[in-house]
Amino acid sequence: EPEVTQTPSHQVTQMGQEVILRCVPISNHLYFYWYRQILGQKVEFLVSFYNNEISEKSEIFDDQFSVERPDGSNFTLKIRSTKLEDSAMYFCASSRDSSYNSPLHFGNGTRLTVT
Amino acid sequence: TQLLKQSPQFLSIQEGENLTVYCNSSSVFSSLQWYRQEPGEGPVLLVTVVTGGEVKKLKRLTFQFGDARKDSSLHITAAQPGDTGLYLCAAGGEYGNKLVFGAGTILRVKS
Repeated sequence: EPEVTQTPSHQVTQMGQEVILRCVPISNHLYFYWYRQILGQKVEFLVSFYNNEISEKSEIFDDQFSVERPDGSNFTLKIRSTKLEDSAMYFCASSRDSSYNSPLHFGNGTRLTVT
Repeated sequence: TQLLKQSPQFLSIQEGENLTVYCNSSSVFSSLQWYRQEPGEGPVLLVTVVTGGEVKKLKRLTFQFGDARKDSSLHITAAQPGDTGLYLCAAGGEYGNKLVFGAGTILRVKS
């Protein structure tokens, strides 16, 4: 069964550094998402992406965050200048379309640790 | 913003017992999804419910959507150790798939 893959599985970075988290969505899916889960807290929506542009973003997704689909295959999340509070599990997800009948398929996440 | 409250937060039971976990909100949902998440993995969708009063079954799991579409429950019959995990409910709109997640119920089934 096709799956969403994320790399790396664990990223350690120093505060102020830029990080890029990578995702390969399921190939025939058109909608892509990033969610994050701070340790012990809820899974939170960050951003959705369709047709090469952001379709919706949360208030968490500020100017420090950006997303890109550089080559038609990868979907990346960039954090320009990481803060300690960015430490979390970041989940990429994809879906065939945006309706409730099209479930989200999540990757196994990248654990980001900012020191 | 819809807020989803899940209860209980933690449940530890013996193999063979039945259990129910709840997901409640003061808001009306367009749809509600239940996910299961295991350590080190992403959430995996179990079911989507859309219609008020809807009941869906997945083997030993029974999902119910409240008539007013403000609450949902997950009932597991004869729990197995393999059912151990984090169960999350998530509310979505009709379009956009921007999900709002509950905090989850950690289930531990002891053999």
